[in-house]
Amino acid sequence: GENVEQHPSTLSVQEGDSAVIKCTYSDSASNYFPWYKQELGKRPQLIIDIRSNVGEKKDQRIAVTLNKTAKHFSLHITETQPEDSAVYFCAAMEYGNKLVFGAGTILRVKS
Amino acid sequence: DVKVTQSSRYLVKRTGEKVFLECVQDMDHENMFWYRQDPGLGLRLIYFSYDVKMKEKGDIPEGYSVSREKKERFSLILESASTNQTSMYLCASSGRPDSGGGYTFGSGTRLTVV
Repeated sequence: GENVEQHPSTLSVQEGDSAVIKCTYSDSASNYFPWYKQELGKRPQLIIDIRSNVGEKKDQRIAVTLNKTAKHFSLHITETQPEDSAVYFCAAMEYGNKLVFGAGTILRVKS
Repeated sequence: DVKVTQSSRYLVKRTGEKVFLECVQDMDHENMFWYRQDPGLGLRLIYFSYDVKMKEKGDIPEGYSVSREKKERFSLILESASTNQTSMYLCASSGRPDSGGGYTFGSGTRLTVV
């Protein structure tokens, strides 16, 4: 089955700096890669996603890139703000509409 | 806006008890999932269901069972609760893959087994 690895496990940045979180996946058949943000005590919420026929997708300060050949994808957050502090999960969809999640990254934005 | 509702936010149960966690979604989604979330391990799939009365094992089904008698409701059952089942349990639902694929999560149930 699919295996997703996520790095780093924790990330601290200064407000206004950029943050990058990287994930690798093992199953070349996976074709959908969402990112979820989970604030303390709240449910994970989808913030951006990308499909395997696209290399990059942007939504304001957030972007995701996908390299199918290398089987890795990354989340980029620019101009970080304190409200970006949360746990971020990447995921890959394997057969049957099942998402396999990475272990998560705790992002702290210091003001 | 899809709503996924989990019946309890916090539960404390004793070892050996049978525990029921309930999840209801209101958007007629075919797919429903139960994950457990533990620090450093991310979200791990326990069971999932593609349709009424249908269930499939996920990656960590041992000690759990599920029930889906109605399309909108997916129940997770801990047959005999143990302390290593203390965790956050998240329910999710999604529509057909060709309609997006993203999950909507419930708020979670934090279960403590003593």
